[in-house]
Amino acid sequence: DAGVIQSPRHEVTEMGQEVTLRCKPISGHDYLFWYRQTMMRGLELLIYFNNNVPIDDSGMPEDRFSAKMPNASFSTLKIQPSEPRDSAVYFCASSTTSGRAGELFFGEGSRLTVL
Amino acid sequence: AQRVTQPEKLLSVFKGAPVELKCNYSYSGSPELFWYVQYSRQRLQLLLRHISRESIKGFTADLNKGETSFHLKKPFAQEEDSAMYYCALIKGDTGRRALTFGSGTRLQVQP
Repeated sequence: DAGVIQSPRHEVTEMGQEVTLRCKPISGHDYLFWYRQTMMRGLELLIYFNNNVPIDDSGMPEDRFSAKMPNASFSTLKIQPSEPRDSAVYFCASSTTSGRAGELFFGEGSRLTVL
Repeated sequence: AQRVTQPEKLLSVFKGAPVELKCNYSYSGSPELFWYVQYSRQRLQLLLRHISRESIKGFTADLNKGETSFHLKKPFAQEEDSAMYYCALIKGDTGRRALTFGSGTRLQVQP
């Protein structure tokens, strides 16, 4: 298994543009998480899904952010419109109910720069 | 609300010196604590879990409920230990799976 796959790896965009980040979890995993990493705040949980259903989206900064999981093998995180303060590395992670609690498998991250 | 605090952004030590990465948490229930590590150009990965009471790559961490701490220790640092370390906690009594991470500490082991 290639692990959690994220795309794009790098994205540079201008303020006001729409950004879509994509994630393919590990096959068979039923939990999917979106985290944001910044120097100042470290890793922040944005939202997570269980069996494609959003469980907790209290970490989503504001209405400009939205996340979907249309099926078990794909999720998107969308920012519209993007702002410079959204610049960060966005991580997707997955885990399985049958696995060890607290063991998340992370993707390589998508580095977003908003100019 | 649950919170994880890692007071040091950077910890620099010499090879062979002892290492202690600090982690404090606030959670009134029954927490489960973890350490994650991110080596250069690698994915963030689980290092160890307090519930396993294990030693991984020479690292250990003891949960101290009285001091609400879960410090990561290694008696003799190696250059390959240089990485970003994150302490994390999960609510242990609700079945929830999401981790709350601290802000991370970069460990730099100098030759």
